[in-house]
Amino acid sequence: GQQLNQSPQSMFIQEGEDVSMNCTSSSIFNTWLWYKQDPGEGPVLLIALYKAGELTSNGRLTAQFGITRKDSFLNISASIPSDVGIYFCAGLKNTGNQFYFGTGTSLTVIP
Amino acid sequence: DAGVIQSPRHEVTEMGQEVTLRCKPISGHNSLFWYRQTMMRGLELLIYFNNNVPIDDSGMPEDRFSAKMPNASFSTLKIQPSEPRDSAVYFCASSPRDRGRHSYEQYFGPGTRLTVT
Repeated sequence: GQQLNQSPQSMFIQEGEDVSMNCTSSSIFNTWLWYKQDPGEGPVLLIALYKAGELTSNGRLTAQFGITRKDSFLNISASIPSDVGIYFCAGLKNTGNQFYFGTGTSLTVIP
Repeated sequence: DAGVIQSPRHEVTEMGQEVTLRCKPISGHNSLFWYRQTMMRGLELLIYFNNNVPIDDSGMPEDRFSAKMPNASFSTLKIQPSEPRDSAVYFCASSPRDRGRHSYEQYFGPGTRLTVT
C-alpha cells in the first residue's frame, strides 16, 4: 500500500508563479525520484536524488532530498502552461527494489 | 533512443475474455516492472523482473494475473479471465540495473488503458 503522503493534492496557480510541493513518509528512503505525468501518458522522470540533503536542478525544477531521509521537495520556478500535469514522488527503501509512489499533486497553470 | 514500448495502447474487452498486454523495455535495461494505475489506488507495483527472472510478484492481485519475460526484450502481462474491476491503466517500466546509483531510475512506457465491460 501507499506509504508516501504527497501534498498539496492539487494546485491552481497563475502563470509565472513558483510552485512548491512535498512528499513525506514515516519511513526512511535511500532514493527519491520525481515524475510528471501528462494525461494519457506514462510518468516521465524529472529528477533523481540519492543522498540526504542533496539539492538537484533540472531547468526550472529543483528537488531536495530531506535531511531526515523521510521527505523530499520539488519546486518549479516561473511556471508555464506546459507545467500542467500530475507530479509524483517515489521513494526507494534500503532493501529491495520496490519504489513506493506518492498519491500525486495535480498542477493547473492559469495563463 | 526508443523508450519503453507497450501495446496495445487501448484495449476494450468483455468480462471473461483473456487479455494480453505487451512490453518491450529499453535496450540494455535489465529490470522490468509492471504497474497498475487507478484513481482509487494510484500506482501499484504488480511484479518486477531482474534479468528476466521474476523477483517479487506479491503485488499481483490474484491467480487470474500472470506475467512472463521470455527474453530481455519482451514481457507480457496476462489476465484470464478478465473482470470489470481489472479496468485500469497498466504501465511497464524498465531500469538499467548495472549503472551504479542510476540503476534505480525507472522509465515508464505510455501505458495500456484496459476497459473490461
